[in-house]
This record gives sequence, structure tokens and C-alpha cells, in this order.
Amino acid sequence: EAQLLESGGGLVQPGGSLRLSCAASGFTFSSYAMSWVRQAPGKGLEWVSIISNSGGSTYYADSVKGRLTVSRDNSKNTLYLQMNSLRAEDTAVYYCAKSYGSGSLMRAFDIWGQGTMVTVSS
Amino acid sequence: DIQMTQSPSSLSASVGDRVTITCRASQGISNYLAWYQQQPGKVPKLLIFAASTLQSGVPSRFSGSGSGTDFTLTISSLQPEDVATYYCQKYNSAPWTFGQGTKVEIK
Repeated sequence: EAQLLESGGGLVQPGGSLRLSCAASGFTFSSYAMSWVRQAPGKGLEWVSIISNSGGSTYYADSVKGRLTVSRDNSKNTLYLQMNSLRAEDTAVYYCAKSYGSGSLMRAFDIWGQGTMVTVSS
Repeated sequence: DIQMTQSPSSLSASVGDRVTITCRASQGISNYLAWYQQQPGKVPKLLIFAASTLQSGVPSRFSGSGSGTDFTLTISSLQPEDVATYYCQKYNSAPWTFGQGTKVEIK
């Protein structure tokens, strides 16, 4: 059974940094694009970033461009999100999600992790 | 960027009712449209992809239609477990934008 497990969330001061991890199991991680999606408390879903299966292509929402960086280690079946220069508006549950169907970035997200909470506050 | 607009923002219906949610893209996206269900306190779940393809394990009372700019999610007979917020999402190109969500409640 395909599973995703996020970790690394917590409380951080404005301007600070955090690195989220997403451990994958139950599927061939290196075959699928992976994404980060966030949800602020009481709000809707916001797509954050996507990375191709090889890691060679990445895309970001305008709201995080230049501050958040997605990467992956296919030898460790792990997705990462490096978060720098954090702002209060980055406070949210961060989900990692697997793309449906191998290879392409242009896919829906069929498997989601449980999420990890990031709180940016002084 | 292409904007995704859902309507209504919320609705209340009786058990057994037919429920329809619409999603409009500001530009054509062919059929690169997914629908997700997020039950209260739960993780989002993929219901439909490619505008009308039901994800494995999803009850057949859910259906999707549309292409280009206008899309519809229909629940043919609303059940208590369908109480949730529903989101559409485009995935034809960056950014992979979600709609603002439609909250479905039981009357």
C-alpha cells in the first residue's frame, strides 16, 4: 500500500528556516512526480510546489518562489521542502502528495500524507 | 495564471438529493481537471481525474463532466458520509491551482 509520511514541522520565528521531509513507501518513488500542498487553518488547499520524478524539473507557486525549495533523494525514497525566510502567512498544514501515473508532471494527486503543521510566530 | 472558480461556496441538501458543484477555469484546460473530497479533519482524497474518470474505490454516485472551461461534480444521491469540502484542481500546466472549495452539509 502506497504511503507518505511527513515530518519536520514545528514552531519557527518569522525569518527563520525549517526543512520538511516526506518518506514514501509502497510504490516506486523514483517513477512519480511529487508535490507539496498546504492548508492554512480554516482555509482551502494551496498548491506550493512540484518536482519531476528525476528531480530535474521544479515549479513553485508565486507566493513561495525564492523562499521555498523542493528536492528529492530517490535513493532514500524521500521528498524535501526547504523553507527559508518564513512569514506568518506560511503557517499551515503541509501535505506531500504523489502524482497519479508515472512520468508526467501533468497529473492529479492520488496519494496524500497526513500532513505536518508549520507555525510561524514570534 | 488560470483561475479556478467554484460555485456555490457552500450548500445544504437532504439525504438522497442530487447535488451539483461547478468549477470554471478562466482559460481552457482541456480535461486536465481533478476533484478532491476533504471530510472534516481528514486528508484530501482524489475522487475524479481527467474531468470524468472515477478514481478506484470511489462510490459510483460521484460523477464528473466537462471540458475546456466548465466542469461539474455531481453526487447523484447525497449520503451522510458525503459531508465534506470539495475542491477542483487544474493540472494542465503550472501552477496546479485549486478552486476555493465547496462545503457540502446535510439539511
